[in-house]
Amino acid sequence: GAVVSQHPSRVICKSGTSVKIECRSLDFQATTMFWYRQFPKQSLMLMATSNEGSKATYEQGVEKDKFLINHASLTLSTLTVTSAHPEDSSFYICSAKQGTGNTEAFFGQGTRLTVV
Amino acid sequence: GDSVTQMEGPVTLSEEAFLTINCTYTATGYPSLFWYVQYPGEGLQLLLKATKADDKGSNKGFEATYRKETTSFHLEKGSVQVSDSAVYFCALSDPGAGSYQLTFGKGTKLSVIP
Repeated sequence: GAVVSQHPSRVICKSGTSVKIECRSLDFQATTMFWYRQFPKQSLMLMATSNEGSKATYEQGVEKDKFLINHASLTLSTLTVTSAHPEDSSFYICSAKQGTGNTEAFFGQGTRLTVV
Repeated sequence: GDSVTQMEGPVTLSEEAFLTINCTYTATGYPSLFWYVQYPGEGLQLLLKATKADDKGSNKGFEATYRKETTSFHLEKGSVQVSDSAVYFCALSDPGAGSYQLTFGKGTKLSVIP
């Protein structure tokens, strides 16, 4: 299958700082990328959907000014957690799919964010 | 809206035991159904999928059949191994909902003991 690389895999930051997470499709052009957040012992919750070159669509309850998503190219999307707080500590996972329609999405390895 | 319900975990089995993890769904259209596996500290990997009614997805000894009449996609394996210990997520992608994003169940943690 196609490869999606997410970086970093783990990050620890101080409260009030910002953290950027990158999601790259290595061998295909990702028309659409998704960002999920996984709380402990919970399922993945979709945060936002981004299409290359346009603004991300955020799910209800997700603060778009806090979770900045950029999808400037067909191989890269970034999620920036701004002014991070301990409650933002979580596992963030991206996925990417090629083309429109019901094609398979491929997942990154995830990023464990810890805010201290 | 779309939803996926899967059996609560955790599930603990002895090696070589039979595994069933139940999954049912609600969707507005004709969804594709998936099982993903998440090993400790890793992201999700697609385990198997089925795109239409009566299709059977299979991989690594795991199987699941798309049952439209019961809106189910139960995961089964005849003989589990310690290496199967992971969290399993049932998911659907529903074009009828106007998008192709995945909706996940809460996940079922499986622990296989020697």
